Parts: sequence; structure tokens; C-alpha cells
Amino acid sequence: TQLLEQSPQFLSIQEGENLTVYCNSSSVFSSLQWYRQEPGEGPVLLVTVVTGGEVKKLKRLTFQFGDARKDSSLHITAAQTGDTGLYLCAGAKAAGNKLTFGGGTRVLVKP
Amino acid sequence: ETGVTQTPRHLVMGMTNKKSLKCEQHLGHNAMYWYKQSAKKPLELMFVYSLEERVENNSVPSRFSPECPNSSHLFLHLHTLQPEDSALYLCASSQTPSGLQYFGPGTRLTVT
Repeated sequence: TQLLEQSPQFLSIQEGENLTVYCNSSSVFSSLQWYRQEPGEGPVLLVTVVTGGEVKKLKRLTFQFGDARKDSSLHITAAQTGDTGLYLCAGAKAAGNKLTFGGGTRVLVKP
Repeated sequence: ETGVTQTPRHLVMGMTNKKSLKCEQHLGHNAMYWYKQSAKKPLELMFVYSLEERVENNSVPSRFSPECPNSSHLFLHLHTLQPEDSALYLCASSQTPSGLQYFGPGTRLTVT
């Protein structure tokens, strides 16, 4: 059983549609990070959330940290083909602790 | 050159070969990491170095041997690997062991 469960595992949508990716755990995290990884490349950090209930926006991407700091979501509005990639969440249980990664959600945005 | 670089980007090796993966970070960070990314499995942390000292070894087989000669360079020496070791090996760095991690592009390793 993974500490961080991401859902769905795979998502295929048309350009212009919205999508939401979830990252869930039964454990509390002091911080949670979202990465996007494109084929043949390493993960690129998108955002870090640290406060329960926190919402951060990055252009068309909206990230939310659950009130209890056990879960997070990533919402993309009006998806573009450039949003295609593997979205990874990673959490640290306490400051100074190593990151634990979720299994990832592979997103395909079709033109 | 900026960020985290890894060489080679692709490597094919036989089970009896010895090879090394190289990682270099140009960010002035003090911590470096090796991760293994296999298909359909979460990223697995292998090793963590802080100020050139290994601070974490996640039960990695001895056929993987890390080396951190200075805070900017990290190597992963490989010998007598198995086909199941085929994966994308990612290097990352952060200012401190608890800081935000920045990843390199990875080395795609195939063991034949």
C-alpha cells in the first residue's frame, strides 16, 4: 500500500476541458509538493503547499491542500496539449524528513 | 550551464559490465539524491548525501555504489546489475536535506 495514493492513474481529455487530479493519504504531511514530468525528462517542481486549506494558483493550475493536511488536489482549467505529462505529488511528514512520492497521474491532453 | 545535469542520458549495459552515472548541480546546494523510477512504480529514494556525507541508504543492493566527492557532484557506480534494475535513474539536489528538490533529466538505464 502506497503512503500517497494518486487518482486517477491515467486521464485522457480533449484540449479545452478541465481536469482534477487527487493525492490522498491517511497520514498527515507537513508539506506537499506537486511535480510535472514530461517524457524523457526529470520532474519539475510546480508548487509546494504547507498550510491546511491552502489554495495556490499557477496560471490555469489550482492546487489545494486539505484542511487536515492529508490530501491535495490539482485542478487544471481549459487544458492545453502542453499540460500533457506525469503529475506527481510528494509529501514530507515533518520538516527535515525525506519526501514520499505518489504513484503519479499520467495526463494526456489531445488536440 | 545551470540546474542539475546528468550523464549519460541513455545507457545500455550487460549484466557483467561496470559503469557509472554522473550528476552535477550548479545551484550551490548542499544535499544530493539518487532516485530510481520504474514503470508503474512510485519514485524510490535510493541515497541521500548532505555535505558530501551519506545520510540515507534505503536498503539499496550493494551492486549500486554512490560516491559524492564534493557538494556539486554525485556518482552512482554500477556493477553486475540485473535486468530488473532497468529504469530511469534521477538525481536531485536541494539547499538542505529538507529543502525543495530540483531534479536532473535522468539517465535511462537498460540492463541486457
